[in-house]
Amino acid sequence: AQSVTQLDSQVPVFEEAPVELRCNYSSSVSVYLFWYVQYPNQGLQLLLKYLSGSTLVKGINGFEAEFNKSQTSFHLRKPSVHISDTAEYFCAVRRTGFQKLVFGTGTRLLVSP
Amino acid sequence: KAGVTQTPRYLIKTRGQQVTLSCSPISGHRSVSWYQQTPGQGLQFLFEYFSETQRNKGNFPGRFSGRQFSNSRSEMNVSTLELGDSALYLCASSPTTDLNTGELFFGEGSRLTVL
Repeated sequence: AQSVTQLDSQVPVFEEAPVELRCNYSSSVSVYLFWYVQYPNQGLQLLLKYLSGSTLVKGINGFEAEFNKSQTSFHLRKPSVHISDTAEYFCAVRRTGFQKLVFGTGTRLLVSP
Repeated sequence: KAGVTQTPRYLIKTRGQQVTLSCSPISGHRSVSWYQQTPGQGLQFLFEYFSETQRNKGNFPGRFSGRQFSNSRSEMNVSTLELGDSALYLCASSPTTDLNTGELFFGEGSRLTVL
């Protein structure tokens, strides 16, 4: 079975500061990795995904993530955040050959002026 | 191109009642998945349908059921509602039969409150 751990339930940061949201996963089989964002009263929007190839993945809105197989991590980063980045961020894994996503518990990013 | 459409967006039911939620996938998408989101349990996979067949099912009681129609629209039903069924129910559709690369596109969800 797969599992995802997002160690930080909430991350406060000032506008224009860099941020890193941590994600670790556990799986005995090959998985694909995803980061989703959820704004209040909305569904989930895909930020980026790692399927194969380069371990540094660039996504929308200036976000990027690095897949580290040895540390089983997929941390999300942004060099300079905006107020509009305030949202809930979910890391997820999907076993190859299956559509089912296993999500972490989410990290609430709070950006203040 | 229209996104994933879920109806109703909000609904209130009482314990013991049943509810049916609807999901219209993006045109051309044949895979539809359902997730339950609650503050306590987070996002949990309910089931996934492809070409009217259930391909995968999460660990939910039999009160939770679903189906998919020939036009790929999907419905999920919850019978004998319990207070703990209060949640945001999210539907997601996928554009490809390739299980390895298909991205999931989520709707805005149906927020169910059980009183």
